[in-house]
Amino acid sequence: DVKVTQSSRYLVKRTGEKVFLECVQDMDHENMFWYRQDPGLGLRLIYFSYDVKMKEKGDIPEGYSVSREKKERFSLILESASTNQTSMYLCASSLTGRQWGHDPPTQYFGPGTRLLVL
Amino acid sequence: SQQGEEDPQALSIQEGENATMNCSYKTSINNLQWYRQNSGRGLVHLILIRSNEREKHSGRLRVTLDTSKKSSSLLITASRAADTASYFCATINTDKLIFGTGTRLQVFP
Repeated sequence: DVKVTQSSRYLVKRTGEKVFLECVQDMDHENMFWYRQDPGLGLRLIYFSYDVKMKEKGDIPEGYSVSREKKERFSLILESASTNQTSMYLCASSLTGRQWGHDPPTQYFGPGTRLLVL
Repeated sequence: SQQGEEDPQALSIQEGENATMNCSYKTSINNLQWYRQNSGRGLVHLILIRSNEREKHSGRLRVTLDTSKKSSSLLITASRAADTASYFCATINTDKLIFGTGTRLQVFP
């Protein structure tokens, strides 16, 4: 079974702090994703990585950066946390289009990190 | 940007009843996926339907797709309390999924 783990389930930080959210997958997936989920807004893509050291902005990248130094690990960084970044953060991974085979990729999600910025 | 809009936003039913939720999307698709999210957890893939399919079954799940109306529906038959969750449709843009806003389903014992 694919396993995607996130470093924390709950996190409380203060405004202005630098925050690191870590995600690790064990299925050798090339694609990894960071989403934030807010009530009434669904899941919104923050950043996407399709290979080591490669990244692509999603719909809401402002205030965030990412790092992918190893294939299995994708980090989301809040350079200076703000209260409007209080949210649920979800990491996911998937095969890439070249690996699809017959079926397009499904995404496998971690359990989420609920971040509160005070 | 959100591709899908689910309807209704929330649904409450009794165990044993059927639950139907709908998804509308904006652009042409090759396939559409449905995911479930238990409270406070990550999403789990349920079922995928291709654009050349009209209906697909998986256990108690039945998904339909109408590409002319750009809509899909998810039917859960004989619902159980364990089906209580949020349900999302998602379409693919290259390797990226675009999720709808979700339907919150509450199944009462």
